Amino acid sequence: DAGVIQSPRHEVTEMGQEVTLRCKPISGHNSLFWYRQTMMRGLELLIYFNNNVPIDDSGMPEDRFSAKMPNASFSTLKIQPSEPRDSAVYFCASSPAQTSYNEQFFGPGTRLTVL
Amino acid sequence: AQSVTQPDIHITVSEGASLELRCNYSYGATPYLFWYVQSPGQGLQLLLKYFSGDTLVQGIKGFEAEFKRSQSSFNLRKPSVHWSDAAEYFCAVGGLRDYKLSFGAGTTVTVRA
Repeated sequence: DAGVIQSPRHEVTEMGQEVTLRCKPISGHNSLFWYRQTMMRGLELLIYFNNNVPIDDSGMPEDRFSAKMPNASFSTLKIQPSEPRDSAVYFCASSPAQTSYNEQFFGPGTRLTVL
Repeated sequence: AQSVTQPDIHITVSEGASLELRCNYSYGATPYLFWYVQSPGQGLQLLLKYFSGDTLVQGIKGFEAEFKRSQSSFNLRKPSVHWSDAAEYFCAVGGLRDYKLSFGAGTTVTVRA
C-alpha cells in the first residue's frame, strides 16, 4: 500500500493567492482528517470527514478555509485568499474506523509558505 | 476536556543510553493512548498504542510505554537509543467514541555520538 498521499509536498505562494492542497487516503479507510502543524500551536485538527461527509469542521480557522471530499479516494483543502499566517505544514491522515480506537495514518505533509 | 502534556520540550541523549519521554493526560473516560514519532520532513508514524489490558505495551523500533492510571501518565521508554531515533515524539489521547485525538506539544530528541 502506498500510504496516504499528499500533493504538493511544498508550496510557496504570495499573499492573496488561492492554494489547494490534495490528499489521497489509504484505500478502504472511511475516516479522513486534515491537520495543521505550526511551532506556535502544535498539531491542530482542522476538519474530520467520515464516509466522505464532513462531521466536524470546528477547527477550520475561518471562512477562507474550505475542505471537500467528493469521493472516498480524494480530498482537498483550499485556502482563498491565503495570508502569511497560514504558513504551516498541513497533514492529511486517514483511519479505517470512526473512533480513535484505530490508528490514524498520516501523509508526509504539505509545507505551505505564504509570502 | 481532554489534553496531553509533554513536560520536556527537548531531550539530548547519548547513543546507546536509555531514553524516557514523559506524557501526562487528562481525559474524562477510559483513555486510549498513543505515541507517534515524526522524523524531519515526514509525517507522524505510530510507535505504539494502549487501549486496555497489560499496562506495559511494546511498540516498533524497540520502544515501550507504561500506562499508570493513578498518575495519569503514559511514559515512553527505550533501553538503548540509536542515532536514527533522533526525531520529534508526540503523545496523544482519545477514547472509544471519540474520533478526535488530542496531541501533546511534542518532545524533540537529539542523539549525540
